[in-house]
Amino acid sequence: GAGVSQSPSNKVTEKGKDVELRCDPISGHTALYWYRQSLGQGLEFLIYFQGNSAPDKSGLPSDRFSAERTGGSVSTLTIQRTQQEDSAVYLCASSFGGTSGYNEQFFGPGTRLTVL
Amino acid sequence: ILNVEQSPQSLHVQEGDSTNFTCSFPSSNFYALHWYRWETAKSPEALFVMTLNGDEKKKGRISATLNTKEGYSYLYIKGSQPEDSATYLCAQSGAGSYQLTFGKGTKLSVIP
Repeated sequence: GAGVSQSPSNKVTEKGKDVELRCDPISGHTALYWYRQSLGQGLEFLIYFQGNSAPDKSGLPSDRFSAERTGGSVSTLTIQRTQQEDSAVYLCASSFGGTSGYNEQFFGPGTRLTVL
Repeated sequence: ILNVEQSPQSLHVQEGDSTNFTCSFPSSNFYALHWYRWETAKSPEALFVMTLNGDEKKKGRISATLNTKEGYSYLYIKGSQPEDSATYLCAQSGAGSYQLTFGKGTKLSVIP
């Protein structure tokens, strides 16, 4: 079956513009995660969706960042008024649900965001 | 807050050499340790998930060990091949948590 897909693969934008990044998780996976990797840093957790529960937004770096997941499937990460420090690779992952840290997370190929 | 460290940051080896990397993590509140391989322009791919102290897992030429008491895991690659070139990430999850805390990765380059 298809893996996790993300679009666009690359996005170049000007400082101050809004951007939307899309993630299509694996069918049947109830959990969805967003991470980002800035230059020289490890993968940083941003937000977690599990089924119909309220998302865990504890990793979002500022209120310019928001995410939604429609119909328990596709997710969109929105960054408003982008700043240069938002430049990073944004990765989406999905897994079977639950609170087990054993669950394997399946990653998409990422969106490379460059803010000029 | 979990703090996962990986070393070395980068590594160049000749084709056919064996190599290993280290992942260290806080041993308190440990639940699982994950290893991923991330090739350029591709998705990170899960290699291993380990939970028990003394666990050893193997997939082809790649193997990993886990010491939860002292807080480290080793990843070994036997007879490195150019296709092994990638960034190897480790991540820890705590008890009752779905969050993975990642290290910065070890970038391996295998020279033909």
